[in-house]
Amino acid sequence: DAGITQSPRHKVTETGTPVTLRCHQTENHRYMYWYRQDPGHGLRLIHYSYGVKDTDKGEVSDGYSVSRSKTEDFLLTLESATSSQTSVYFCATGQTPNYGYTFGSGTRLTVV
Amino acid sequence: QQQVKQSPQSLIVQKGGISIINCAYENTAFDYFPWYQQFPGKGPALLIAIRPDVSEKKEGRFTISFNKSAKQFSLHIMDSQPGDSATYFCAATYNNNDMRFGAGTRLTVKP
Repeated sequence: DAGITQSPRHKVTETGTPVTLRCHQTENHRYMYWYRQDPGHGLRLIHYSYGVKDTDKGEVSDGYSVSRSKTEDFLLTLESATSSQTSVYFCATGQTPNYGYTFGSGTRLTVV
Repeated sequence: QQQVKQSPQSLIVQKGGISIINCAYENTAFDYFPWYQQFPGKGPALLIAIRPDVSEKKEGRFTISFNKSAKQFSLHIMDSQPGDSATYFCAATYNNNDMRFGAGTRLTVKP
């Protein structure tokens, strides 16, 4: 998707290992979000950022941490991956919280 | 706690027919209701959105109907085409960085 790049696109990792997913935007949007998508649950918010070094928890934040050192980059870290974290992860950005988001193409993570 | 409930889970419509997807919400503070369209292997893309001060919004073949008193809103796709086959998500938020999504509806439009 234009302006948002997620890396890697696919990853297989072992239980107990740390994993970092990267989101890079060229939209210059202040707000950035990490969602996970699972069948039957839609998209659920993990963490979000409202500025450089300003982050907060979402609905399903346990086991995840985030960092934002630059406007354009938002990192999601699974500190010790578990099988329940197997999912598709989407990064999104927004100009304001109360408006439409732009989503990346997602990262498919499999924890074995 | 699912704050936005979406139905049906899946929908099959003939080409040229009308596709209707419904959502209900619980939080009366919600004041922005977008719909997203997602194709396989892609991220969701904003399709159309409405705010509660209007009851209907139309963009091309896509219409949102909004019923504030019933806390419900729906997406209507007129003259459905095979290219509309995708998963559709409704969502709701109130300026708090916590947009809540429905579980999604997989639409198949048969030629």
